[in-house]
Amino acid sequence: GAVVSQHPSWVICKSGTSVKIECRSLDFQATTMFWYRQFPKQSLMLMATSNEGSKATYEQGVEKDKFLINHASLTLSTLTVTSAHPEDSSFYICSVAGRGASNQPQHFGDGTRLSIL
Amino acid sequence: DAKTTQPPSMDCAEGRAANLPCNHSTISGNEYVYWYRQIHSQGPQYIIHGLKNNETNEMASLIITEDRKSSTLILPHATLRDTAVYYCIVRLYNNNDMRFGAGTRLTVKP
Repeated sequence: GAVVSQHPSWVICKSGTSVKIECRSLDFQATTMFWYRQFPKQSLMLMATSNEGSKATYEQGVEKDKFLINHASLTLSTLTVTSAHPEDSSFYICSVAGRGASNQPQHFGDGTRLSIL
Repeated sequence: DAKTTQPPSMDCAEGRAANLPCNHSTISGNEYVYWYRQIHSQGPQYIIHGLKNNETNEMASLIITEDRKSSTLILPHATLRDTAVYYCIVRLYNNNDMRFGAGTRLTVKP
């Protein structure tokens, strides 16, 4: 399956700063990338869907001005958490999907653990 | 997408087969059944998927009932490293969204 790399794997920063998380598809043309958030002992929640070269589609309740998503190429999407606060502390995970048969599975990165002090 | 129901937790003895059930009684004809697992602090790992036929790969087997309202993921010889949360997801053919439920926490015991 596709190899998906997320960076950084863990970040700790002060309240009020902005944090950028990268998601790279290393061997796969990812026309669509997804961003999920997972709080402790909970399941993954889809935050947004991004298609290469177009604006992301956000799920209900996810602030698009808070979570900026850029998907400028077929191999890279970034999620920027702007003015992060402690309640934004979570596990952020990206996944990729490509062209062709849409019954193919998504492949996930190993996640980024974000801790806001 | 159809909703799925899984038991919250299961135990399995090491070396024995682990059979994880999933109900998806509202599944429609063009929806696939996917299984993923998540080991602590990692991203979900794809296991297997199917439409209506049983499927097998190097990781597991997927048994889908004839009416497609339920399925079972089988890990033939569970090891301690198979301890994880297992998610059963139903997804539309033309829709790439993956919506995760609560999953089943499988604990493999020595």
